[in-house]
Amino acid sequence: KNEVEQSPQNLTAQEGEFITINCSYSVGISALHWLQQHPGGGIVSLFMLSSGKKKHGRLIATINIQEKHSSLHITASHPRDSAVYICAVRWDQFYFGTGTSLTVIP
Amino acid sequence: EPEVTQTPSHQVTQMGQEVILRCVPISNHLYFYWYRQILGQKVEFLVSFYNNEISEKSEIFDDRFSVERPDGSNFTLKIRSTKLEDSAMYFCASTDPGERLNEQYFGPGTRLTVT
Repeated sequence: KNEVEQSPQNLTAQEGEFITINCSYSVGISALHWLQQHPGGGIVSLFMLSSGKKKHGRLIATINIQEKHSSLHITASHPRDSAVYICAVRWDQFYFGTGTSLTVIP
Repeated sequence: EPEVTQTPSHQVTQMGQEVILRCVPISNHLYFYWYRQILGQKVEFLVSFYNNEISEKSEIFDDRFSVERPDGSNFTLKIRSTKLEDSAMYFCASTDPGERLNEQYFGPGTRLTVT
């Protein structure tokens, strides 16, 4: 079993702030996913990482395989970024973190 | 933009009944998944499916659960003898062909309520 821990659990930020969400896991992985779950429940895949760093618009995801750790960064945060951000790792199956609830205040 | 669709959006059933949740993955995708999320809890993996057979399954996916790709477009999750604890949002997802690790495309979910 692969334990996935996310921090923080809840995060409130002012619009424009730089945000970091962390994910750590206990065993090896073949891939790590960052997902966004909207208030209505829908899930969108943001990134899939197996090494290094990826950038998409204001979102940046990094992974350190040796330290079993990944971070999701949001630059110039905006109220529309308010959502739950979920880390999921693939090992023998998929294991999910409990999510980080982000609220960005105008 | 192609998307994964799921029907129904909400299913209410009585305990002990059978339900079938339907998903239409993106047409050229070859890997399919079912997840569930009990209200207020984290998303949990149920099963992955490739080449008409189960690739991986979790301990949640017991003998009451089955999956099928009956006609080359639909991907179904059947739950027999439903229990109150099966009440959850069920998400279907699919990925591009050729690479199992590619990003997943999620459907909007089916909310299952077992009474």
